[in-house]
Amino acid sequence: AQSVTQLGSHVSVSEGALVLLRCNYSSSVPPYLFWYVQYPNQGLQLLLKYTTGATLVKGINGFEAEFKKSETSFHLTKPSAHMSDAAEYFCAVSEGTGFQKLVFGTGTRLLVSP
Amino acid sequence: EAGVVQSPRYKIIEKKQPVAFWCNPISGHNTLYWYLQNLGQGPELLIRYENEEAVDDSQLPKDRFSAERLKGVDSTLKIQPAELGDSAVYLCASSFRTSGGKYEQFFGPGTRLTVL
Repeated sequence: AQSVTQLGSHVSVSEGALVLLRCNYSSSVPPYLFWYVQYPNQGLQLLLKYTTGATLVKGINGFEAEFKKSETSFHLTKPSAHMSDAAEYFCAVSEGTGFQKLVFGTGTRLLVSP
Repeated sequence: EAGVVQSPRYKIIEKKQPVAFWCNPISGHNTLYWYLQNLGQGPELLIRYENEEAVDDSQLPKDRFSAERLKGVDSTLKIQPAELGDSAVYLCASSFRTSGGKYEQFFGPGTRLTVL
């Protein structure tokens, strides 16, 4: 079965600093990978996804993630953090090719200080 | 376009009481999901519907949890009786099938349940 591991339950950065949220996956087949963001008291919103093709995936709000098969990683980055980026971020892997069954990581809370 | 609607947003009950959550998916989305999100954890799938049929309920604790999706639109998730460990956020999501055969899930804001 597929799974994802998110390293670090909390990440703190200063406004304007680089954001790096780590995700490693375990999959016996080529994975489909996702990053979601959850703002307080809101549902999850899709940031970006990797299916096939280009390994560098660009998403909304200036985020991007790079699929590295050799490292089984799909880390999320943003060059310059903004206060509005403070939220919970979840990495997920699809257990099937249709994305109907997503397995989520435990999440990383991003804290942004002025 | 309206998103996934859930109600109530918050619910506080005493243990052993019943509770029900309601979800209205995005119009035209045939697939509906219920997820359980414990504090500090990622969402875990409880049940998935394709129209009115439950096609994956393997993670639904059937001794106390039940769900229905009459007419293939709105859905209700029920717990009876509730236990202290059921305190969590219950998320509903819906999806449509893209031309590439993929299902992108859209999430509602969730119902936060507190069992005292």
